[in-house]
Amino acid sequence: AQSVTQLDSQVPVFEEAPVELRCNYSSSVSVYLFWYVQYPNQGLQLLLKYLSGSTLVESINGFEAEFNKSQTSFHLRKPSVHISDTAEYFCAVSDQAPGGGYQKVTFGIGTKLQVIP
Amino acid sequence: KAGVTQTPRYLIKTRGQQVTLSCSPISGHRSVSWYQQTPGQGLQFLFEYFSETQRNKGNFPGRFSGRQFSNSRSEMNVSTLELGDSALYLCASSQTGQFNSPLHFGNGTRLTVT
Repeated sequence: AQSVTQLDSQVPVFEEAPVELRCNYSSSVSVYLFWYVQYPNQGLQLLLKYLSGSTLVESINGFEAEFNKSQTSFHLRKPSVHISDTAEYFCAVSDQAPGGGYQKVTFGIGTKLQVIP
Repeated sequence: KAGVTQTPRYLIKTRGQQVTLSCSPISGHRSVSWYQQTPGQGLQFLFEYFSETQRNKGNFPGRFSGRQFSNSRSEMNVSTLELGDSALYLCASSQTGQFNSPLHFGNGTRLTVT
């Protein structure tokens, strides 16, 4: 069965410092990878996605993630965080369910990013 | 386009009761999925519907059920509520339900069972 591991449940970081949120997955087939962000009292929002092509993908608010097939990782990074980045971040893997035709999405447990002023 | 709308936002029920949650997907989205989110378990997949058919189901007891209507709106029902059913229930829609299609989430319904 597919699994997604987010190694850190909480990551405190000072404002304007860099951050890396780690994500590893296990899958023997081609997968699509996503990072979602959840702000308090809200649902999840898509942050960025890797479907194919360049292994480095970027979001509009300065986050980036790199797909590393050999290490089965999709770590999320930002060179300088802001207070507004405080949220919970979820890594997700999507592949075809057995028999094909539809997606099966597995989420990691989430990493809470706390930006300290 | 309007986003995914879930109603109600908050619910308080007592053990043994049943509850129905509603989800309206983004216009044109035909796939609707439901997730249960709890602090200890993260997001757990409940089920997915496409064109009124349940295509995939997670490992939840039969007390959890759902359906999708011809306009793609979906409902989920939980019968004989237990304390452990307290959670944030999230609905997500996607355009095709294919594995390269991102999910668009609503803000959830927070269910508290007392």
